[in-house]
Parts: sequence; structure tokens; C-alpha cells
Amino acid sequence: ILNVEQSPQSLHVQEGDSTNFTCSFPSSNFYALHWYRWETAKSPEALFVMTLNGDEKKKGRISATLNTKEGYSYLYIKGSQPEDSATYLCAFSYGQNFVFGPGTRLSVLP
Amino acid sequence: NAGVTQTPKFQVLKTGQSMTLQCAQDMNHNSMYWYRQDPGMGLRLIYYSASEGTTDKGEVPNGYNVSRLNKREFSLRLESAAPSQTSVYFCASSTQQGRETQYFGPGTRLLVL
Repeated sequence: ILNVEQSPQSLHVQEGDSTNFTCSFPSSNFYALHWYRWETAKSPEALFVMTLNGDEKKKGRISATLNTKEGYSYLYIKGSQPEDSATYLCAFSYGQNFVFGPGTRLSVLP
Repeated sequence: NAGVTQTPKFQVLKTGQSMTLQCAQDMNHNSMYWYRQDPGMGLRLIYYSASEGTTDKGEVPNGYNVSRLNKREFSLRLESAAPSQTSVYFCASSTQQGRETQYFGPGTRLLVL
């Protein structure tokens, strides 16, 4: 089983701050890198899926980049809001497999 | 569309009891998955079904069995529940095994005493 790492494990920011976190994954046998947003007591919700080196995706104030050669992806949140508080999961797919990272828990303080 | 549905939402079992967790999706997806989520462990894949009629083990299959009843339904069975199986169980589906976005159900919270 290949390992997917995320950092930091948790993060507290003030409302209005911009923030980013990292997902590291094996660079071999890469198919796709997924980002999910997971609010407490709900189920994970898909944000982005990226497949090509250099991919950049954006949804509102949230964006993500992908570097498949070095095996990392960044998720950026611009002007954080309290409703952005959630755990952000990345998942790496290779072959028939799909491996989730442990997540970064973001708390945005008003 | 309901998306992915799971039943029950919450269950308490005694050690040694059996139960089946039900999952259904109405998105005509080929692939379905069962995960468990434990504190500090993230989501771990128990079993998956790449297409109707096939099932395969994931990272943590011991103590579980699955059935892909048809394209819509994928059930997870605990034959003899153990306290170590106390967890939140999520079912997910996707159009294609591996590459495509997975859509998750609301989860089943299981407590084994």
C-alpha cells in the first residue's frame, strides 16, 4: 500500500487569512490526484481531480496545483471564512487503487 | 437523485453478532467502495467492486465480506462483530475504478460492545 501524506495535520487561521496545505504522494504509476472537503458529521465532498503535471484548478476562493514529477499537490484558500472550516483530504489513484491521505483539519476563527 | 444512500445510520452490536450494512447508488456508477474511518487513521478501503459481478479486497478486509447485488447495491457484512470494528463506515461510488471522483454516502456509525 502506497503512502499519501498531508501537512500540516491541523491548522488554525483567522477569518480573512489565506492559507495552503500540502499533499505528498508517490510519483510513480500516477493516474490522478483528488481533493475532497469533509465537514464534521457529513460525508466527503469532491473539490477537484487533477491528472496532468502542472494542472491548476479553481473553485471560488479555493484552488489547487499539481506536480506529478516530484509528487506533491498544494491546496490554497484565499480569504478564509468560518464556513471553510473542515478537513481537507487528498487522494491518490494509481492502477485500480485509490489511497486517501489522513487529511488537514482547518479551523477558521471569526 | 438521492446519490449514495446508506442504511442504517447508527447501529449498536454486541461482540459476536452479525449485521449487514446496505449501500445503494442511483448514478449508474460502475464502481463501488466501502471505507472505514477511525480517528487519526483517515479513510481506509475495506473492499471495492470495480464493476457488477466483481469484488476485491482493499487495505483492511479482515472480518468483512461484501456482495455486489446488482449495479446499484453493494453490501458489507460483519459475520462476527468485534470491538475493533467500532468505526464509521462510508460507502462510495464512481463511474470508473481508480481514476474518477468518488461520491460518498452519509456514513453508518457502528458501535460494537
